Amino acid sequence: QSALTQPASVSGSPGQSITISCTGTSSDIGAYNFVSWYQQHPGKAPKLMIYDVSNRPSGISNRFSGSKSGNTASLSISGLQAEDETTYYCSSYTRSNSGSLYVFGTGTKVTVL
Amino acid sequence: QVQLQQWGAGLLKPSETLSLTCAVHGGSFSDHYWSWIRQPPGKGLEWIGEIYHSGGTIYNPSFESRVSISLDTSENQLSLKLTSVTAADTAVYYCAKHGGKSFDYWGQGAPVTVSS
Repeated sequence: QSALTQPASVSGSPGQSITISCTGTSSDIGAYNFVSWYQQHPGKAPKLMIYDVSNRPSGISNRFSGSKSGNTASLSISGLQAEDETTYYCSSYTRSNSGSLYVFGTGTKVTVL
Repeated sequence: QVQLQQWGAGLLKPSETLSLTCAVHGGSFSDHYWSWIRQPPGKGLEWIGEIYHSGGTIYNPSFESRVSISLDTSENQLSLKLTSVTAADTAVYYCAKHGGKSFDYWGQGAPVTVSS
């Protein structure tokens, strides 16, 4: 199972909105509404930002939103802030011959200009 | 509030067995799946496998012949063993709790280096 494809970098000015894409296949993103997004600061563990395509865990700002169309999922960040500058990973549930399988994206570095 | 605390040997020689443990604080194993995920230096995340509170496991086919995940319900701990390690297994290893089909709580990460 190949990694999901994300742009290596996305940038925006403070206050602007950005969108990070995550492209998979009809076997993962296209087949299940189980896409999640993680924020990871350097040297830290990933933090869940979005689950099941578009749901925010408790405590996550509503500036973060998720969506999906076909084999591509997206994470949008509105009102970009300096603290948003870090790396984001998408993930999708899928299945192998053995059962459950989770694939992650290649990661996107967000830069706040 | 669930907290995951990890520990284990950080430096291994090729062909040795990687062994890591993750203690769950503030929660129990009941009705949850638990996974191990790794991240090579400067690279993305890779799912290794999962275990259910009953002890049932599913592994990423990429690791299936070398990996074993187990639970110690009396100690609220889960463990990862990966045999015959090579330099390609150098990574930070994370344990994580499932929230449905996502990972809502993560351990702090355990760096493992494989070098002769």
